[in-house]
Amino acid sequence: KAGVTQTPRYLIKTRGQQVTLSCSPISGHRSVSWYQQTPGQGLQFLFEYFSETQRNKGNFPGRFSGRQFSNSRSEMNVSTLELGDSALYLCASSWEDRGRIDTQYFGPGTRLTVL
Amino acid sequence: AQKVTQAQTEISVVEKEDVTLDCVYETRDTTYYLFWYKQPPSGELVFLIRRNSFDEQNEISGRYSWNFQKSTSSFNFTITASQVVDSAVYFCAPGETSYDKVIFGPGTSLSVIP
Repeated sequence: KAGVTQTPRYLIKTRGQQVTLSCSPISGHRSVSWYQQTPGQGLQFLFEYFSETQRNKGNFPGRFSGRQFSNSRSEMNVSTLELGDSALYLCASSWEDRGRIDTQYFGPGTRLTVL
Repeated sequence: AQKVTQAQTEISVVEKEDVTLDCVYETRDTTYYLFWYKQPPSGELVFLIRRNSFDEQNEISGRYSWNFQKSTSSFNFTITASQVVDSAVYFCAPGETSYDKVIFGPGTSLSVIP
């Protein structure tokens, strides 16, 4: 079974631009979570999707948004990039059915640099 | 809201030693989840364990074991007979439900020296 894949792996943008990151979960997994990791703030939960619905969102401004498609693939978008958005963005997927939840698997991450 | 403290910033042990990573959390929720994650030098996060708050039974999985003490709000993680491959940053994280809204601790960097 293929693991969680994230594209692109590396990205360089300039302030004010917007960016879209993609995450393909493991086949059969309908839950996808996104996290941001920076040297200053550490690891932080961004949001979680299940069956195309955002179930929870972390404490991030509205510039951070996401969505999930019917095939469970997910994208996150950051508009009007700021220098502080430079981070490793991690995506994870897990199997869930009627309240039963299995192990969470992470992708390799997308390293975003904002200049 | 949750808060988590990992008092040990860095730990170094010699291979085959046992090592315990401490985690103390704060939460006002009556039910919650607790997680441990590992991040090796490659950067890819690895899920280790999820424990819900109403299950205080401690667990052993191979060389890993977890000690959950609800009365002291601690969820410690022990590696027995450490190996060089265990070198990583370990994160403790309480969460409100399932995998969402977790609050990560600052992490403990473990170095296992051959």
